[in-house]
Amino acid sequence: GQNIDQPTEMTATEGAIVQINCTYQTSGFNGLFWYQQHAGEAPTFLSYNVLDGLEEKGRFSSFLSRSKGYSYLLLKELQMKDSASYLCAVMDSNYQLIWGAGTKLIIKP
Amino acid sequence: GAVVSQHPSRVICKSGTSVKIECRSLDFQATTMFWYRQFPKQSLMLMATSNEGSKATYEQGVEKDKFLINHASLTLSTLTVTSAHPEDSSFYICSARTGTGETEAFFGQGTRLTVV
Repeated sequence: GQNIDQPTEMTATEGAIVQINCTYQTSGFNGLFWYQQHAGEAPTFLSYNVLDGLEEKGRFSSFLSRSKGYSYLLLKELQMKDSASYLCAVMDSNYQLIWGAGTKLIIKP
Repeated sequence: GAVVSQHPSRVICKSGTSVKIECRSLDFQATTMFWYRQFPKQSLMLMATSNEGSKATYEQGVEKDKFLINHASLTLSTLTVTSAHPEDSSFYICSARTGTGETEAFFGQGTRLTVV
């Protein structure tokens, strides 16, 4: 079966760095996405990785290792507004998105 | 990025009535639209995939007669929850892609449905 695993909840301090991991097992691979979702709102796109390596975009970076079925989202200089759920999703061979359950990130002052 | 507008954002309805949710792509043609349901503290659950001009493909366990999906044009898809019951209360989200294999899915704002 298809499976996406990510931690349920993480806590970090304002100004610090946090890494949210995601491991996956899917039928085929056409890219991995990270989305941010604030409570009661729809997800917003953060990043897309289809090749191995690190993609940096401002305070957020995303890493992918296809051989290991592994990705992480790195958030630097954490701000209170970064408190949200972070969803990892993999596009399978049918170009369907398979979603992880999301990681709730709590930022403390 | 592209804009997807979903309406209404919140709706409260009585048990037994029907509710229609609209999803519009404002600045692009969405050949494929997806409807998701999200329970509190859970991830998105794909309900159905609809392609313009054809019948929606429903995921296993989703009642097609209860959740009617219409994708009559390249910019509009609707989800109608028929004979709603309290257990249908949930957060419904649509997303759209311009074609198969397109990388990014654009999301509507979501609809919070409460059935009383």
